[in-house]
Amino acid sequence: QKEVEQNSGPLSVPEGAIASLNCTYSDRGSQSFFWYRQYSGKSPELIMFIYSNGDKEDGRFTAQLNKASQYVSLLIRDSQPSDSATYLCAVTGSFKTIFGAGTRLFVKA
Amino acid sequence: SAVISQKPSRDICQRGTSLTIQCQVDSQVTMMFWYRQQPGQSLTLIATANQGSEATYESGFVIDKFPISRPNLTFSTLTVSNMSPEDSSIYLCSVDPTGNTGELFFGEGSRLTVL
Repeated sequence: QKEVEQNSGPLSVPEGAIASLNCTYSDRGSQSFFWYRQYSGKSPELIMFIYSNGDKEDGRFTAQLNKASQYVSLLIRDSQPSDSATYLCAVTGSFKTIFGAGTRLFVKA
Repeated sequence: SAVISQKPSRDICQRGTSLTIQCQVDSQVTMMFWYRQQPGQSLTLIATANQGSEATYESGFVIDKFPISRPNLTFSTLTVSNMSPEDSSIYLCSVDPTGNTGELFFGEGSRLTVL
């Protein structure tokens, strides 16, 4: 059974702090790695993707991938209350995407 | 990106009935994906729908319960058959408009409540 594991949280950080979200996956054949943000009552929206080992930065977001450790992370710098949401880690391989259970993030003003 | 319209957005259904959810995309896509998100849970892939072929179902999901149509490259339907309260969930249509990169775009979802 291919799995994607996340800490369900909630993760609570003060406004302006760095939020660190983590994810591990079981399928070593996985090719692509994603972070989706889901606000309550809304559909998931793609915020970051990473295909190669290392870091990828986009604005306040940095995705990190370590294929040897089967580990993906998302850092959110200067966290804002509007970042409060559930963050879903997703892994793609063999033409389908598997989602983790998500980590709930609360950013306190 | 892609704009995806789903309907109905929500419905309340009686046990034993069936409901068909429609998904319309604003561009042609090879594969469309149907996910289920039960309350407080993450997304579970039900099936992948390719135009011109039978849908591919994930473990635990069968065609008799969740028949899928894919008549063209912009449209798909998912039917939830013989519903029970356990089928109460949000059903989401998604597409990968770039073609198998895994960058998914989602419809607004269809929230079904089965009484």
